[in-house]
This record gives sequence, C-alpha cells and structure tokens, in this order.
Amino acid sequence: EIVLTQSPGTLSLSPGERATLSCKASQRVSSSCLAWYQQKPGQAPRLLIYGASSRATGIPDRFSGSGSGTDFTLTISRLGPEDFAMYYCQQYGSSPDTFGQGTKLEIK
Amino acid sequence: EVELVESGGGLVKPGGSLRLSCAASGFTFRSYSMKWVRQAPGKGLEWVSSISSSSGYIYYGDSVKGRFTISRDNAKNSLYLQMNSLRAEDTAVYYCARGGVGTTESHYDYWGQGTLVTVSS
Repeated sequence: EIVLTQSPGTLSLSPGERATLSCKASQRVSSSCLAWYQQKPGQAPRLLIYGASSRATGIPDRFSGSGSGTDFTLTISRLGPEDFAMYYCQQYGSSPDTFGQGTKLEIK
Repeated sequence: EVELVESGGGLVKPGGSLRLSCAASGFTFRSYSMKWVRQAPGKGLEWVSSISSSSGYIYYGDSVKGRFTISRDNAKNSLYLQMNSLRAEDTAVYYCARGGVGTTESHYDYWGQGTLVTVSS
C-alpha cells in the first residue's frame, strides 16, 4: 500500500499569509491520482483538489495543487480566517486508497 | 443538489452487528461508484470499502475484510454497510462518499455528514 506522509504536522500562520503543505508518497502515485481535502471540527471532509492540480467545484482560486510522482503540494496563497482547519491528502490510483495523517493549519 | 445522508449508527457491544445506510439524492446514483470512509475519535481518515456503480467490483480495507459487507440498491438510491463481529477499534464516525462515474478509482467529491458507531460493553 502507498503510505502518504504529510508535513508539517501543524502549521501556524496568520491571516493573509501563504501556506504550503507537503504530501510525500512512499511510491509513485499513478496518473497523478492525488486529492486534497479540508476538514473543520465536527464537519465532513470537503474536496479541494483532485488530479493533483484541478480545483473542485466552488473552491476559491487561492487554493492550488501541484506535484507529480511522489511529491505533492497544496498552496493557499492568502489565508482567510475560514481556511484554518485540517488538511488531508489522499491517493486513489492504487488500491487501497490511502490518506495522509493530516496537517493542522492553525492561527498564529 | 447532491446530498448523502447516513443513518444506522449507534452503540453496540463487541461482537455485535450494525447496518449503516446512506440515502443519496440529487444525482444519478446508479452511475457512480460509492465509498465508506471512517474516522476514529481524534484520528485521521481511513478508507473502509468501495463499490462500483453496478456492484461488479467491491473492495475492502484489510482491517474490515471478512467482517464488513458493502452493498447498494440502485432502485432505492441507497448504499449500505453491514458490519459484523464489531470490535472496539471499529468505533468511529462513518462517512459515505461519492466516487467517480463507472470506476472505483476516483476522488471523493461529495460526503455525507457521517454517523457515529460506538463499540463498547
């Protein structure tokens, strides 16, 4: 199974700053089958990015995804107060689907 | 509007059984693969099971294989998860999620609100 390792575990930033979240895979992720999800406390995850770099419907363009192979990045260009949450990467190109352990984005 | 609504969670003793349901609306259910994902309290996300649009392909995570059964009824726009031989480590919020058209190899674009399963004596 492909293991996804996210870093950092916690990221402390201020509104307006740029956030860069990393997701590294133990093996190559096929066809860039890599997604990013946002989850707020008590809520279901929400799809942000799929195919490594395609924004899901309704996601603001301050969210962007990049990468291929084993290294992927989620960038939030200017943090809004609503962006402070948990973020998970997921690969769905090789069975079983696997998730990273998450990065907590908190207000500094 | 796409909507997924889970039900059937609750408190069950170790070794017991529970059947979760997910009612889908707002899209052509029979065309999409569907997933179950769980999240233990304070933990991350864990994929549990996937089923293709016509039920021809079914997959399980190693932690539930042989104990859980996924199924769907396309006429009723519903997804199910039969959970047997439940263990304390199965305690989690269980989410149903929509996959892709015709394939189980897909991201999960819509999620339900989740239903809590607690396994405890």
